[in-house]
Amino acid sequence: KNEVEQSPQNLTAQEGEFITINCSYSVGISALHWLQQHPGGGIVSLFMLSSGKKKHGRLIATINIQEKHSSLHITASHPRDSAVYICAVLGLTQGGSEKLVFGKGTKLTVNP
Amino acid sequence: DSGVTQTPKHLITATGQRVTLRCSPRSGDLSVYWYQQSLDQGLQFLIQYYNGEERAKGNILERFSAQQFPDLHSELNLSSLELGDSALYFCASSGGNPGELFFGEGSRLTVL
Repeated sequence: KNEVEQSPQNLTAQEGEFITINCSYSVGISALHWLQQHPGGGIVSLFMLSSGKKKHGRLIATINIQEKHSSLHITASHPRDSAVYICAVLGLTQGGSEKLVFGKGTKLTVNP
Repeated sequence: DSGVTQTPKHLITATGQRVTLRCSPRSGDLSVYWYQQSLDQGLQFLIQYYNGEERAKGNILERFSAQQFPDLHSELNLSSLELGDSALYFCASSGGNPGELFFGEGSRLTVL
């Protein structure tokens, strides 16, 4: 079992729909990142969360530390939101340093 | 533009060869991270440097090595290349705000 599980793997929506992408993890973490990867390959960090909720424009990210679960919501989705969304958790290595462990990503396609 | 520069953007080479990927972090960022993204494994953390010193190590093969120079740029050296090393290699940097990550555009390596 992967340490970070995302669902769904693929998501197709119509423009304007509300989108939710889920991330569950099985390890202790100090923070969780949501990343966006566009078809060209570049990666952008959307949020870093250690508790509660953050909002940036039409994007909202929440985390529940007790349940080891995070969600990324997109309101009023638009075709330009089409991308792969990756959840990554910042956990401890055996040596005591921190490293990011990534989910497999959710491929979102928003049709006009 | 994240401020992180990676070169080369694309590289095609043969099995058994050696290549060097270069990363210039955002101005002032002391931490540099290297990640590998392959089709079957997804994103994986390779190694982190902080102000010239190795800080954390992930799934980095012995054939791979990295260093960070006094001007804070970093190089990832991949030797005795195998077909399975074909992947996108990302560099990221972080600095002032803990956990905030800025990714380069990646270097796409193809081993034939």
